[in-house]
Amino acid sequence: SYELTQSPSVSVSPGQTASITCSGDKLGDKYVCWYQQKPGQSPVLVIYEDNKRPSGIPERFSGSNSGNTATLTISGTQAMDEADYYCQAWDSSTHVVFGGGTKLTVL
Amino acid sequence: QVQLVGSGGGVVQPGRSLRLSCAASGFTFSSYDMHWVRQAPGKGLEWVAVISRDEAKKHYADSVKGRFTISRDNSKNTLYLQINSLRPEDTAMYFCAREGVTAIPLFDYWGQGTLVTVSS
Repeated sequence: SYELTQSPSVSVSPGQTASITCSGDKLGDKYVCWYQQKPGQSPVLVIYEDNKRPSGIPERFSGSNSGNTATLTISGTQAMDEADYYCQAWDSSTHVVFGGGTKLTVL
Repeated sequence: QVQLVGSGGGVVQPGRSLRLSCAASGFTFSSYDMHWVRQAPGKGLEWVAVISRDEAKKHYADSVKGRFTISRDNSKNTLYLQINSLRPEDTAMYFCAREGVTAIPLFDYWGQGTLVTVSS
């Protein structure tokens, strides 16, 4: 079955750039999306098809995907960006697959 | 606006059954594939099942195959998840989610979740 791997945690200072990675075998050949989930809330889609932002998502969120790694980048990170972030892809054997999630701390 | 309202969760003994519901509004429910995703307490997201807009196709995660059944009633704009032979490891928040119209299945709207606790 296909698996996506994320680092458990990332820390960033306010105003700096946060990079959250997601790795999987030949992940660059697949489309990746990213969700933000704050405590007690449902996930929110922040990036789809590797690098597209849904309506209403701030421009500071961007994405890339190449080789075995997809990256969610948050430029000028704000305190409100502190959350768990999940990558997601689709695989013909596993269907929908999520990464384990990364807790972003803004300190 | 799009709304997905889950219900049917609760505290259930191991081995019992439960049916979760998700009432949809604000969009043409019959035009979208729908999913269930769960999240155990303090853990990550786990995809559970998908049903196509016309109910013709259903797919399940290996971890729930044979015990979970996804269904829908397009006349009632409602998605269901029947869970049989509940196990402690099924304890989780269960989210219903709408599949967006994009290159791959992803979730553009999520319900608020309904909590299932399996405990004796």
